[in-house]
Amino acid sequence: QSALTQPPSASGTPGQRVIISCSGSRSNIGHDSVNWYQHLPGTAPRLLIYNNNQRPSGVPDRFSGSKSGTSASLAIRGLQSEDEADYYCAVWDDSLNGVFGGGTKLTVL
Amino acid sequence: QVQLVQSGAEVKKPGASVKVSCKASGYTFTGYDINWVRHVTGRGLEWMGWMNPNSGNTGYARKFQGRVIMTGDTSIRTAYMELSNLNSDDTAVYYCARGLGTTYWGQGTLVTVSS
Repeated sequence: QSALTQPPSASGTPGQRVIISCSGSRSNIGHDSVNWYQHLPGTAPRLLIYNNNQRPSGVPDRFSGSKSGTSASLAIRGLQSEDEADYYCAVWDDSLNGVFGGGTKLTVL
Repeated sequence: QVQLVQSGAEVKKPGASVKVSCKASGYTFTGYDINWVRHVTGRGLEWMGWMNPNSGNTGYARKFQGRVIMTGDTSIRTAYMELSNLNSDDTAVYYCARGLGTTYWGQGTLVTVSS
């Protein structure tokens, strides 16, 4: 059981906006910036958001991140079928341990 | 360009050890920590630990302490993750990554533990 809590599943129809939450504590999200990954099993995780709300080059602006206190969220607008994947938040905690959320499986209906 | 290239798939028996390598190129190897993350099918991503190639310092997730060793060889720009006393729950794809919030990941190494 992860110290970062994510909903196990989320869904939406093409074109919709979906938000995935990540809830933690003062020792993890409250301590450091949040990263978000998209993962398709068998492939390397893809960084979508770093530093709470920064997008790496090549990541569409449909993806956005935010953080408030000990929670963070990933928003995906204009949902597309190719967005169907697992999504994870990740942070460093105050003991210098990396922590991943439990993951959210996004289904595009 | 930055690349992390991992060693090939492994099949191990319970109780054995596995050593996965991660060869870096395209950047200063000693300038960034290497993290190891695994994915067990049907479960989430799991952080295992980090290794600083410059100092050799390491930090391991509590779950793996006593069973994992992360090392680096700066002469060949390669990081290693050795996991011992394997059991079926260790069957997973193991990834190296340059940091935690990073676009630079290895391609993954499937380790299968089976009798």
